[in-house]
Amino acid sequence: AQSVTQLDSHVSVSEGTPVLLRCNYSSSYSPSLFWYVQHPNKGLQLLLKYTSAATLVKGINGFEAEFKKSETSFHLTKPSAHMSDAAEYFCVVSLPPYQAGTALIFGKGTTLSVSS
Amino acid sequence: DGGITQSPKYLFRKEGQNVTLSCEQNLNHDAMYWYRQDPGQGLRLIYYSQIVNDFQKGDIAEGYSVSREKKESFPLTVTSAQKNPTAFYLCASSISDKSTEAFFGQGTRLTVV
Repeated sequence: AQSVTQLDSHVSVSEGTPVLLRCNYSSSYSPSLFWYVQHPNKGLQLLLKYTSAATLVKGINGFEAEFKKSETSFHLTKPSAHMSDAAEYFCVVSLPPYQAGTALIFGKGTTLSVSS
Repeated sequence: DGGITQSPKYLFRKEGQNVTLSCEQNLNHDAMYWYRQDPGQGLRLIYYSQIVNDFQKGDIAEGYSVSREKKESFPLTVTSAQKNPTAFYLCASSISDKSTEAFFGQGTRLTVV
């Protein structure tokens, strides 16, 4: 079965310190992988995506993620957290044959808190 | 600006009532989706549509209905058969059913009173 596991439901950091949000996936295929961010009572915004090109992917707002096939991981990082990064983050796997809707598998989310 | 518009932002429903959530997109996308979000559960797929006049049930379709009469519109009706409708509802679209990237609306928060 295909699945996505976000290893931490809640991560707390201080402003200016690094951020690490962990995501592991289980798939029999070569997946496409995404990170989305959601601020309170808002929709989801795409941060970055991996689609079998470079394994280190750079996204918006200074975030990046590295696809590691051997570890089946796609962890999200940022060198220095900002107060505006406080939000919920979702790791999403998209599996071939890319059928509508059902091919998008969402993790349960990680809430990032940033303190001053 | 192109995008997905959901309305209303907040909606209150009495027990036994049907309510309809609106979703409109001007991105010229073929595929549209409805998700339900509950705290700590991620997003769960309710219905999706690959093309006008066609739609498919997702993982939690019971108590919901949809229509897709126009490419740009995909309204969701929450019927009285849905026993626990209080949730945050998100509409999304993608270029086609072969596309892997989805674009999301700002959501509708439905509360039963």
